[in-house]
Amino acid sequence: GESVGLHLPTLSVQEGDNSIINCAYSNSASDYFIWYKQESGKGPQFIIDIRSNMDKRQGQRVTVLLNKTVKHLSLQIAATQPGDSAVYFCAENRTPGSARQLTFGSGTQLTVLP
Amino acid sequence: DAGVTQSPTHLIKTRGQQVTLRCSPKSGHDTVSWYQQALGQGPQFIFQYYEEEERQRGNFPDRFSGHQFPNYSSELNVNALLLGDSALYLCASSLTSGHQETQYFGPGTRLLVL
Repeated sequence: GESVGLHLPTLSVQEGDNSIINCAYSNSASDYFIWYKQESGKGPQFIIDIRSNMDKRQGQRVTVLLNKTVKHLSLQIAATQPGDSAVYFCAENRTPGSARQLTFGSGTQLTVLP
Repeated sequence: DAGVTQSPTHLIKTRGQQVTLRCSPKSGHDTVSWYQQALGQGPQFIFQYYEEEERQRGNFPDRFSGHQFPNYSSELNVNALLLGDSALYLCASSLTSGHQETQYFGPGTRLLVL
């Protein structure tokens, strides 16, 4: 089975609230992690990435946190908007030193309620 | 700046047939990775091409093969199609030579095997 997994398959949040999507990984040698957003009928869209030498990285309205001690990754979305509704995947790099093979989890469906 | 493009968008084949899918990487990228995404699942890594050679392969049988051309575009070939090969096939491009290995995905080709 997948070593990258997600704690919850679905997440519903009110518009304007913050969203937190969690991900666990099992490969302690993984050195690179990425979050993707996939809307229905489209390919995954890059959101943000983080290397294992970092604990936190911020983008526009998004923050990724990496806890290597417990092998946990989270994506925080601030002021969630209807356009954020999608499936979110975390992925880990299985080839340390070179981002070649990404291993994806099964995804979390985020639904933003009006 | 053109993103990753894939063709065709949809394809219907019957068991035992062969199929060829095509991918053009994002402008300036030199590396192409292929993924298979079954319905409701995360993408599964098939293989990656760089400098016209397969340099990383996932857990897929030899029926899956590929090619990269001098212009960095790529093809994915699947022989002796099985019903279980029905999926969304995603191409992702990245830049190995520039050490910018974030993978950007195309819209995918949806293959249905009857």
